[in-house]
Amino acid sequence: DAKTTQPNSMESNEEEPVHLPCNHSTISGTDYIHWYRQLPSQGPEYVIHGLTSNVNNRMASLAIAEDRKSSTLILHRATLRDAAVYYCILRDFNNNDMRFGAGTRLTVKP
Amino acid sequence: DVKVTQSSRYLVKRTGEKVFLECVQDMDHENMFWYRQDPGLGLRLIYFSYDVKMKEKGDIPEGYSVSREKKERFSLILESASTNQTSMYLCASSGGQGAWETQYFGPGTRLLVL
Repeated sequence: DAKTTQPNSMESNEEEPVHLPCNHSTISGTDYIHWYRQLPSQGPEYVIHGLTSNVNNRMASLAIAEDRKSSTLILHRATLRDAAVYYCILRDFNNNDMRFGAGTRLTVKP
Repeated sequence: DVKVTQSSRYLVKRTGEKVFLECVQDMDHENMFWYRQDPGLGLRLIYFSYDVKMKEKGDIPEGYSVSREKKERFSLILESASTNQTSMYLCASSGGQGAWETQYFGPGTRLLVL
């Protein structure tokens, strides 16, 4: 399985943009890039996913490098409720399960 | 909205007890999953199921079994609970088998085995 590498932790100020990086240098051509987050005392929740092109939704944007070996989750204006652990996950076309790494713990300061 | 519910948020059991963790989803999803989450180890897949009466082992199936008699319900069974099974247990479901499919998670059950 292709692996992902994320920083252990990041800090942001409230109402500022946050860029959460993820390296996946061994990604295969059929791997989808998914981002989930886990708020304290809750199960993970879906944020966004993409294959090759950049993606936007109401929660965030996903910027995927041209060679697909890295991606960045962008929260345009961080709020205190965005404080969570963010997971970058690769999902293979042939597998339905997901492999969660340690993720990035995002702290948002008022 | 998809809803995945788990039978208990917190559970305390004794070593050797048989433990049932229940998960129910209300979106007619084919696929259901059980994970455990431990500090420093992230989420690890225990078992999953693609269909009723089907099950597949995940990364850490030892000490666990599962049951899927109905599409909406997926049960995780600890035949004889041990202290090293103290953990947060998370259930998830998804509608399809594609790599683009979203998994929807329940709130988790925090199990303490004494």
